[in-house]
Amino acid sequence: EAGVTQFPSHSVIEKGQTVTLRCDPISGHDNLYWYRRVMGKEIKFLLHFVKESKQDESGMPNNRFLAERTGGTYSTLKVQPAELEDSGVYFCASSPRQGNTEAFFGQGTRLTVV
Amino acid sequence: AQRVTQPEKLLSVFKGAPVELKCNYSYSGSPELFWYVQYSRQRLQLLLRHISRESIKGFTADLNKGETSFHLKKPFAQEEDSAMYYCALWAGTASKLTFGTGTRLQVTL
Repeated sequence: EAGVTQFPSHSVIEKGQTVTLRCDPISGHDNLYWYRRVMGKEIKFLLHFVKESKQDESGMPNNRFLAERTGGTYSTLKVQPAELEDSGVYFCASSPRQGNTEAFFGQGTRLTVV
Repeated sequence: AQRVTQPEKLLSVFKGAPVELKCNYSYSGSPELFWYVQYSRQRLQLLLRHISRESIKGFTADLNKGETSFHLKKPFAQEEDSAMYYCALWAGTASKLTFGTGTRLQVTL
């Protein structure tokens, strides 16, 4: 079974540019999460999809971040325009059904804004 | 709000020595606690969860509600245990994981 896949693995962009991260969850997993680890800090929750619906987006830092999950399959996280403080590792995780607490993580996307 | 604290950023031990990675949490309800591990160049993966009460790769962790702790222990460290370890809490009402800052375990010969 394929695991959670994230693209790209690394991205270096200039401040003010736009970047789109992609996450392909495990097939059949309804729950999809985005997390972020900023240098030296804890992994923080960004948002949670159940199928195509945003269940909880309380962790999104500001309106420069936009997440979508059209069709309830893969998800994208767009940062526009990127700022220096957006640098970090962005993790995606999925789990099969509501209330299932075991999350399977992707390898992460390391975003560097210069 | 829930919070997870891992006081040590780095823990360095000799091979064969006992290991204890500390984790404390704060949450008003009944939490579910996890340990996740990230080996070099690999993805974050679940190591163990308190409700399973099992030993994985020789590691155990007991939930102590009185001390609000979930420390990870192993009697004899191995080189392959070197990794980043994250303690995490699942608060059912929030449907998300709250992580600590992580502890890097370094096992040396």
